[in-house]
Amino acid sequence: SQQGEEDPQALSIQEGENATMNCSYKTSINNLQWYRQNSGRGLVHLILIRSNEREKHSGRLRVTLDTSKKSSSLLITASRAADTASYFCATAPIQGAQKLVFGQGTRLTINP
Amino acid sequence: NAGVMQNPRHLVRRRGQEARLRCSPMKGHSHVYWYRQLPEEGLKFMVYLQKENIIDESGMPKERFSAEFPKEGPSILRIQQVVRGDSAAYFCASSPDLGGSEQYFGPGTRLTVT
Repeated sequence: SQQGEEDPQALSIQEGENATMNCSYKTSINNLQWYRQNSGRGLVHLILIRSNEREKHSGRLRVTLDTSKKSSSLLITASRAADTASYFCATAPIQGAQKLVFGQGTRLTINP
Repeated sequence: NAGVMQNPRHLVRRRGQEARLRCSPMKGHSHVYWYRQLPEEGLKFMVYLQKENIIDESGMPKERFSAEFPKEGPSILRIQQVVRGDSAAYFCASSPDLGGSEQYFGPGTRLTVT
């Protein structure tokens, strides 16, 4: 079955609130990456966390990785209307790390 | 430093025609990847290339699809005799080294087969 399954599939919150998205995967990974995609546009790389890391920050983003549970979370703090987008996690398997495996994404809507 | 460039951005083809999608990687990147995204879905890996070499094409359909990355010029994804099911967004990504690093994505080519 597919790696990188995001949860929830859709999330709608008020501006200023925090948004948390989760990702689960099934096989051992080299790293896990989060991407953002605005409607009808390309993907923007947000953050990469390696398998030996547990937490990483970038601006308003915080990513955690629990390799024992094969799961990751992306937290966006103090959300803004411009954060409205789809968010995908992508895993780089240990075997064939160049073949990123994407989930179906979480559609995040920030209401003003 | 320009990002990954893809063209055309939108391509309309009738069933049976050929589609050619082009991708120029970021400067200094020698690894190119192609992914396909169907509506409301995540991206699916198709093929990984380096200059003049196909490294991994395990995600490519066995028929009608081919990819190349010549010594000079952009990478090309070619779809022969397109069918409606080929309608999708095709994304190219590049990276500076092998696996374990970020892949930088282009804006995509949206192929519509009528």
